[in-house]
Amino acid sequence: ILNVEQSPQSLHVQEGDSTNFTCSFPSSNFYALHWYRWETAKSPEALFVMTLNGDEKKKGRISATLNTKEGYSYLYIKGSQPEDSATYLCAFSGSGGYQKVTFGTGTKLQVIP
Amino acid sequence: GAGVSQTPSNKVTEKGKYVELRCDPISGHTALYWYRQSLGQGPEFLIYFQGTGAADDSGLPNDRFFAVRPEGSVSTLKIQRTERGDSAVYLCASSSGPVSSYEQYFGPGTRLTVT
Repeated sequence: ILNVEQSPQSLHVQEGDSTNFTCSFPSSNFYALHWYRWETAKSPEALFVMTLNGDEKKKGRISATLNTKEGYSYLYIKGSQPEDSATYLCAFSGSGGYQKVTFGTGTKLQVIP
Repeated sequence: GAGVSQTPSNKVTEKGKYVELRCDPISGHTALYWYRQSLGQGPEFLIYFQGTGAADDSGLPNDRFFAVRPEGSVSTLKIQRTERGDSAVYLCASSSGPVSSYEQYFGPGTRLTVT
């Protein structure tokens, strides 16, 4: 059984604050790490796919880093806005890439105007 | 362009009945995944298709669950003798590549309620 853990489970921040959360995953047999944003009543939306140790990806105010040796990834949101309110999911896939994708339970972010 | 679609969006069925859930992936996407999401959990992998064949069905919980993708596009998830524990949101995703390092595009899900 693969353990993909996310922390914190939920987070409330004020509009304009920057925030970050963590995804930890098995450090052996790593292939790829995905981040998704899932807004209520919508489909999960892919944010990043990272495959290399040390990868850093950025999309607007959201960025992510990857450390495959120690098995963690951070997602950062700079200057949070109410529209950033969503559940952020990470998903791990093991070596070979054909194996199943294992999701964490998500971090639910609420940005308070 | 058209995204991933799933039908029905909601399905209420009685315990013991048979249900079929349909997924229409993005045209040309070779990989298709089914997930199940229960309250408070992340999506749980069920099965992965590459083309017409199930490359990994290790997530199907038992033999009441079966999925097909006969022509390599539309997929149907079939659940026999439904149980109350099968109640969940069933998500489908497709991607353009055969390996899980490609972005997955998700459908809106089918909410299944077994009474």
